Amino acid sequence: NAGVTQTPKFRILKIGQSMTLQCAQDMNHNYMYWYRQDPGMGLKLIYYSVGAGITDKGEVPNGYNVSRSTTEDFPLRLELAAPSQTSVYFCASSYAHDPGANEKLFFGSGTQLSVL
Amino acid sequence: RKEVEQDPGPFNVPEGATVAFNCTYSNSASQSFFWYRQDCRKEPKLLMSVYSSGNEDGRFTAQLNRASQYISLLIRDSKLSDSATYLCVAYNNNDMRFGAGTRLTVKP
Repeated sequence: NAGVTQTPKFRILKIGQSMTLQCAQDMNHNYMYWYRQDPGMGLKLIYYSVGAGITDKGEVPNGYNVSRSTTEDFPLRLELAAPSQTSVYFCASSYAHDPGANEKLFFGSGTQLSVL
Repeated sequence: RKEVEQDPGPFNVPEGATVAFNCTYSNSASQSFFWYRQDCRKEPKLLMSVYSSGNEDGRFTAQLNRASQYISLLIRDSKLSDSATYLCVAYNNNDMRFGAGTRLTVKP
């Protein structure tokens, strides 16, 4: 198993450009998430998905879009990149989303994005 | 006010020392709690869940105080390999909130 795979690892964008961050998991997890992590800050949830065809906003969704056409893939789209979107982006997946369960998130290795 | 607050540190301790981190959360409805470890420029990885009764995993002990809304992590007999940032996490209703992390450096 590869786990959670994110691409690219690094990217520099110009203001106004668009791009898609790819995320794929091969663990048959239903739940997938996108987080961003700014220096000295905790991870903030951008969007999440509880299954194919279902997505929902997290804490900081503005400027982003997602889709979940398959269980495996959960791409994150930036339509008009802004300097405020400079951050490290982590995709994650989990088995279950039940308060009584062990909520173990499996993270991808991250994408360092700079918008200049 | 941040939902999950941690002392950012850094904590610099010698090998073999015992070190404790605290974390407070503001949402009293939070249902589950966790400690994650994050190495520099790497992804976070689950260290341990935190149960109301307290739980131990080798040199690591986690405790939860719901009345005071704080979580703690105790590391005994620190190793060089424990150097990392430790993230406190509170979960409620599809929302997992991360603290900014406490940085630990263990020195020889």
